[in-house]
Amino acid sequence: DTEVTQTPKHLVMGMTNKKSLKCEQHMGHRAMYWYKQKAKKPPELMFVYSYEKLSINESVPSRFSPECPNSSLLNLHLHALQPEDSALYLCASSQARGRETQYFGPGTRLLVL
Amino acid sequence: SQQGEEDPQALSIQEGENATMNCSYKTSINNLQWYRQNSGRGLVHLILIRSNEREKHSGRLRVTLDTSKKSSSLLITASRAADTASYFCALDSGAGSYQLTFGKGTKLSVIP
Repeated sequence: DTEVTQTPKHLVMGMTNKKSLKCEQHMGHRAMYWYKQKAKKPPELMFVYSYEKLSINESVPSRFSPECPNSSLLNLHLHALQPEDSALYLCASSQARGRETQYFGPGTRLLVL
Repeated sequence: SQQGEEDPQALSIQEGENATMNCSYKTSINNLQWYRQNSGRGLVHLILIRSNEREKHSGRLRVTLDTSKKSSSLLITASRAADTASYFCALDSGAGSYQLTFGKGTKLSVIP
């Protein structure tokens, strides 16, 4: 199984809402990533978890809060987002942190009103 | 972390033609990867080429790496309409960064 799944596929939320994005992989990978991608731009790294510990946080605002409950799951909790946070949020995993092929999920399309 | 610069930004070709995309970078790398993204979807890994390799093939794809010129190219032969997508190079700069940095991408359109 080389699949990374993400839910939901689409999400519309107001600026006062709290929501969560979910990501799951069953490939036994020990590194998982969150990326943000704006239209016509490359993915930008937000967070890296390696062996369930946060190892990289690319100065992301605190309104984004990652959580890694176990080696297969990665969540991104959203609170008090701004309209400019509207984007495609991609989850990925790899066997180890960096230097390896990353497998991407289909993404969650987020619209903040 | 450095970002690759891709060229061209957009490419339009007829089905059956070859498509070549280039990626240049500035500092040394551990490896360079190419990914494809269909509109609004997740990225799909195509090829990883390490700094000590010069060329790799996968089906209709051929990737070259010239570390002296700090550049890589992706060649898609006998293109198909289904190859229409954005193609990104991603750099692993090593030096303990342990993360990939994606280039701006080339948008390829293959016209049937």
